[in-house]
Amino acid sequence: QSALTQPASVSGSPGQSIAISCTGTSSDIGAYNYVSWYQQHPGKAPRLMIFDVSRRPSGVSDRFSGSKSGNTASLTISGLQADDEADYYCSSFTTRRLYVYGGGTKVTVL
Amino acid sequence: EVQLVESGGGLVQPGGSLRLSCSASGFTDFAGYGMHWVRQVPGKGPEYVSAITGDGGTTYYGDSVRGRFTISRDNSKKKVYLQMSSLRVEDTAVYFCAWGYSYAFDYWGQGTLVTVSS
Repeated sequence: QSALTQPASVSGSPGQSIAISCTGTSSDIGAYNYVSWYQQHPGKAPRLMIFDVSRRPSGVSDRFSGSKSGNTASLTISGLQADDEADYYCSSFTTRRLYVYGGGTKVTVL
Repeated sequence: EVQLVESGGGLVQPGGSLRLSCSASGFTDFAGYGMHWVRQVPGKGPEYVSAITGDGGTTYYGDSVRGRFTISRDNSKKKVYLQMSSLRVEDTAVYFCAWGYSYAFDYWGQGTLVTVSS
């Protein structure tokens, strides 16, 4: 069982916005602003999309945004595009100085 | 550009051992950065395995591997290692080497598959 809880799937039509939630505890998401989000296509390594809750690495579209409230973080993808179809994982640094991950959310573009 | 390349994966019997290597390039000061191992069963979420500080003086391990895996590094060769012992079927996964500027991983290797099976 994964430490962080994500919905198994989320879908949307091109151009729409979708949000993926990630629920943890006061020992991980609630403890620090060190939540990150990864996109992964089949057979590929994860790609960092958001770090430190809401910051985007260079090269990541501003259609991707992150937020956090209490023990729950969220990733929002606006203006959904076909190549956004992938698996998305949240991650958080923890009070044990380890990282935990969610079980993943499959995003489908209808 | 940082590049990470893992090697050493393969098929091993339960109870056996295997050593993974991660070769790093593109770092201006490799010894100044911590390095990490993350594993993932295909179709499942990643699992944090281990980390080592830049000087190799401090290590961290996930609960499922502590006492069985050992992380180390050779800064002169820009390599990180993961020595895996007492391997179990549930250790079967793709193992990634990873690194990041902050509390996230900007760079990942391509992964190396470890299969534990009789």
